[in-house]
Amino acid sequence: ELKVEQNPLFLSMQEGKNYTIYCNYSTTSDRLYWYRQDPGKSLESLFVLLSNGAVKQEGRLMASLDTKARLSTLHITAAVHDLSATYFCAVDTYSGNTPLVFGKGTRLSVIA
Amino acid sequence: GAVVSQHPSWVICKSGTSVKIECRSLDFQATTMFWYRQFPKQSLMLMATSNEGSKATYEQGVEKDKFLINHASLTLSTLTVTSAHPEDSSFYICSARGDNEQFFGPGTRLTVL
Repeated sequence: ELKVEQNPLFLSMQEGKNYTIYCNYSTTSDRLYWYRQDPGKSLESLFVLLSNGAVKQEGRLMASLDTKARLSTLHITAAVHDLSATYFCAVDTYSGNTPLVFGKGTRLSVIA
Repeated sequence: GAVVSQHPSWVICKSGTSVKIECRSLDFQATTMFWYRQFPKQSLMLMATSNEGSKATYEQGVEKDKFLINHASLTLSTLTVTSAHPEDSSFYICSARGDNEQFFGPGTRLTVL
């Protein structure tokens, strides 16, 4: 059974600081996704990582995937208040009609 | 990217009534859609996999007679919460698989009084 672990689950950080969210998963996969969720809203796709070594950046967020270590990271650079949200990673085994398996989410709060 | 819509976006109903939620893939065909529910401050919990033209596959602990799923076409899946009770109040999200990723609907907030 595929398991996905995210840490930390809660993160309070000051504006301007850097931090990394980690996503570990238990079985082989080369497809991993990061989503953002604001309160009361659905999931917003941030990054789609489809191969080992994939790195993608959008604004202050950068995601990477190491399939050998079964690890993905979401790095936050110079955090701003607008980044406050819950971030989920999800792993796709992409075999037939299997669903994504989600981590528990990281609730990020950026404070002044 | 591909778009998945849900209707209604929110619904309030009385205990004992049934509520139908629609999930549509707007610009692609989806043989498989997924239904999730999310309680406050928790992650998404998969309820069932909806397969076009066949029966849905339910996750353990999800009552198939209470949460009826119909996937009658390649662009529409419906979830009907039958005889709703306050504990069914939740945020329901559907998703559909595209080429390289899954696309999520905007969610339906169900409140059962």
